[in-house]
Amino acid sequence: QKEVEQNSGPLSVPEGAIASLNCTYSDRGSQSFFWYRQYSGKSPELIMSIYSNGDKEDGRFTAQLNKASQYVSLLIRDSQPSDSATYLCAVNNPGSSASKIIFGSGTRLSIRP
Amino acid sequence: DGGITQSPKYLFRKEGQNVTLSCEQNLNHDAMYWYRQDPGQGLRLIYYSQIVNDFQKGDIAEGYSVSREKKESFPLTVTSAQKNPTAFYLCASNPGGGNPGANVLTFGAGSRLTVL
Repeated sequence: QKEVEQNSGPLSVPEGAIASLNCTYSDRGSQSFFWYRQYSGKSPELIMSIYSNGDKEDGRFTAQLNKASQYVSLLIRDSQPSDSATYLCAVNNPGSSASKIIFGSGTRLSIRP
Repeated sequence: DGGITQSPKYLFRKEGQNVTLSCEQNLNHDAMYWYRQDPGQGLRLIYYSQIVNDFQKGDIAEGYSVSREKKESFPLTVTSAQKNPTAFYLCASNPGGGNPGANVLTFGAGSRLTVL
């Protein structure tokens, strides 16, 4: 079992719709959860961070964390063509070291006009 | 402006040669990281360092070496023992410490290594 798992996609969503991205993780001791967006050939940029169970909203983005199910998701409302990118889920891995940050394989999102 | 500088941006090397990728940060961050990314893939952790003069292997450390002699610098050497070194290499840093919020990574622009 991979430590952080994501569906690779591509996920195709019509413009204006809600895009839903999912991530599961294996280390029950993880405390920090992140979503990064990466455009082709560029470095990742932070979209959302979440540290406690529940929802966290920032503009069109909502992160959801369920530690009991070891599941974190990202919702993008009113999807725009500029949201087309690869979304990377990242988790700290305290089973090794609290500082160890590991990533999933990423989900490629495509917003169609 | 504070940030992370990686150099070179593009690097071509012959098979069997060692190469060193530079990573410098002026964010006063304690922790630094190296990741490798292959086309269409996520980031895989090579090495990370929580403090000066200390570093730990990540998930794919074989064929790589690092040093952390200064807080600002964390160079990565890709040795001839790395069987498939062609990839995009990303350096990152964060403040470190026990606070979950201190784990947010700041990334450099990356170095693209091609072995001919």
